[in-house]
Amino acid sequence: SQTIHQWPATLVQPVGSPLSLECTVEGTSNPNLYWYRQAAGRGLQLLFYSVGIGQISSEVPQNLSASRPQDRQFILSSKKLLLSDSGFYLCASRTDPGYTFGSGTRLTVV
Amino acid sequence: QQQVKQSPQSLIVQKGGIPIINCAYENTAFDYFPWYQQFPGKGPALLIAIRPDVSEKKEGRFTISFNKSAKQFSLHIMDSQPGDSATYFCAASGFQKLVFGTGTRLLVSP
Repeated sequence: SQTIHQWPATLVQPVGSPLSLECTVEGTSNPNLYWYRQAAGRGLQLLFYSVGIGQISSEVPQNLSASRPQDRQFILSSKKLLLSDSGFYLCASRTDPGYTFGSGTRLTVV
Repeated sequence: QQQVKQSPQSLIVQKGGIPIINCAYENTAFDYFPWYQQFPGKGPALLIAIRPDVSEKKEGRFTISFNKSAKQFSLHIMDSQPGDSATYFCAASGFQKLVFGTGTRLLVSP
């Protein structure tokens, strides 16, 4: 079965600072990978997905970017964080037909 | 067309009651409908899922009812327990993506 590793679990960053969140997947190869964001008390919004190395699709225009340098590695980045980037960031992998989620990163921008 | 509408937003039932959460979708290309359970500070965990060629699926105390013609599906929790108190999300999968409903916060009182 798949395991998704996300780190760090919590992060407090000042406005204007850069961001790098990493997600790695074990137990599968060539997975579809996803980044979701969940604002406090809200649903899950799909930010990016990737069907392969170097292939990134963006769902909403925003201050964030994603990269997939290796088959089982997915990175979420920002050059300059905004207050509105605060939230709970979740990485997911598609295991046909289902999806498995990581434990998430709680990002607070101050 | 890729939205999933979920109701109610919140729900309180007594122990032993049967909470019902409803979802509706628009795009008939969705081909997989999972339900996720999320506890505070954790990632969503797959609870139960159904494909559109089946009208009902039961796993333990959890049942999905699926109405393909109405494009609606619902989650029933039989003999609900305080430990079931969590946020529940319906979702629909298609186009390489998983789209979530807005979530239902369930509280099961002792």
